[in-house]
Amino acid sequence: QKEVEQNSGPLSVPEGAIASLNCTYSDRVSQSFFWYRQYSGKSPELIMSIYSNGDKEDGRFTAQLNKASQYVSLLIRDSQPSDSATYLCATKGGTSYGKLTFGQGTILTVHP
Amino acid sequence: EAQVTQNPRYLITVTGKKLTVTCSQNMNHEYMSWYRQDPGLGLRQIYYSMNVEVTDKGDVPEGYKVSRKEKRNFPLILESPSPNQTSLYFCASSPAGPRTEAFFGQGTRLTVV
Repeated sequence: QKEVEQNSGPLSVPEGAIASLNCTYSDRVSQSFFWYRQYSGKSPELIMSIYSNGDKEDGRFTAQLNKASQYVSLLIRDSQPSDSATYLCATKGGTSYGKLTFGQGTILTVHP
Repeated sequence: EAQVTQNPRYLITVTGKKLTVTCSQNMNHEYMSWYRQDPGLGLRQIYYSMNVEVTDKGDVPEGYKVSRKEKRNFPLILESPSPNQTSLYFCASSPAGPRTEAFFGQGTRLTVV
């Protein structure tokens, strides 16, 4: 089992719709959960971090964490073509304390 | 400007010719890591360092070496590169602690022929 798994995608949504990205993790003691966005050929950039169960909202983005189910999600409301990118889920602070572990990424395409 | 700087950005080399990719950060971060990225596989960690002279293997360390002699620098060394090391490489740094964000360099696209 991979440490961090994301739905394989690619995911295609129309402009203005809600994009839903999902991630599960295997290390129960993980403390931090991150969503990074990566445009083709560029470096990842952090868009959301979440540490406690529940929802965290930042503008059009909402991260959701359920530690009992070992599940993290990212919702993007009012999706824009500029949101088209690869989204990477990552965990940190687990058994390997300082290690940041990524999922394989989900490619999102928002079409006009 | 706070940043992580990798060099070179692009490199084409031949099998077996030793190379070093440099990484430097100016944010006084304790943690530094190297990742490789291949299509469909996401970012896989090669090595990470939690402080000077402290390094640990990541998920794909074979064929790579690192050293952390100074806090700001974390070079990646390929002693004898092979074509399966053709990849996009990223260096990252973060402050100490389990809840800290990682900052990435611009990436190095390496081709081994």
